[in-house]
Amino acid sequence: LAKTTQPISMDSYEGQEVNITCSHNNIATNDYITWYQQFPSQGPRFIIQGYKTKVTNEVASLFIPADRKSSTLSLPRVSLSDTAVYYCLVGVEYGNNRLAFGKGNQVVVIP
Amino acid sequence: NAGVTQTPKFRVLKTGQSMTLLCAQDMNHEYMYWYRQDPGMGLRLIHYSVGEGTTAKGEVPDGYNVSRLKKQNFLLGLESAAPSQTSVYFCARPTTGPYEQYFGPGTRLTVT
Repeated sequence: LAKTTQPISMDSYEGQEVNITCSHNNIATNDYITWYQQFPSQGPRFIIQGYKTKVTNEVASLFIPADRKSSTLSLPRVSLSDTAVYYCLVGVEYGNNRLAFGKGNQVVVIP
Repeated sequence: NAGVTQTPKFRVLKTGQSMTLLCAQDMNHEYMYWYRQDPGMGLRLIHYSVGEGTTAKGEVPDGYNVSRLKKQNFLLGLESAAPSQTSVYFCARPTTGPYEQYFGPGTRLTVT
């Protein structure tokens, strides 16, 4: 499984766009990039997944450059309820589809 | 998180006691997973199952046992609890593919 590197934490003001970066230099050809969100005292929740270029859904956008060695999760106009830990995951472990969670990025939205 | 339910929500154990955590899914997925999450850390896979009657070790299996007698249920057992097993335990099942898993609400376990 490819190792991912994310900032430990970041603050943002309510209403701003938040961009969360993830580095994954050893991504394999077949690996997808997946982002999860975890609120306090809850299990992680799938947000978005992509392979290359740009993916957008009702929650977020995911930008992946051509070399796929990094990705950026973009949350438009965040609110206080977007305060959470965001995990970037790359690939799944063959045979058991294990998701490899790192420490994630704590995003705090300030009023 | 109605798709995956976990029982109990909280538990305090003394060192050496045993307990079983229950996970139940509302679908018929073959795969089910048990993860643990320690403070400030991501989730780590304890055990998983690829179908009824089958279980396998994950990343941190020591001190735990599991059983999958019925497809809907996945049990995680602690035979002799240790303080190092103080953690939040999450059960999960896949949704549309291997990358998307649906997590239960968690069981917060404290071992004193």
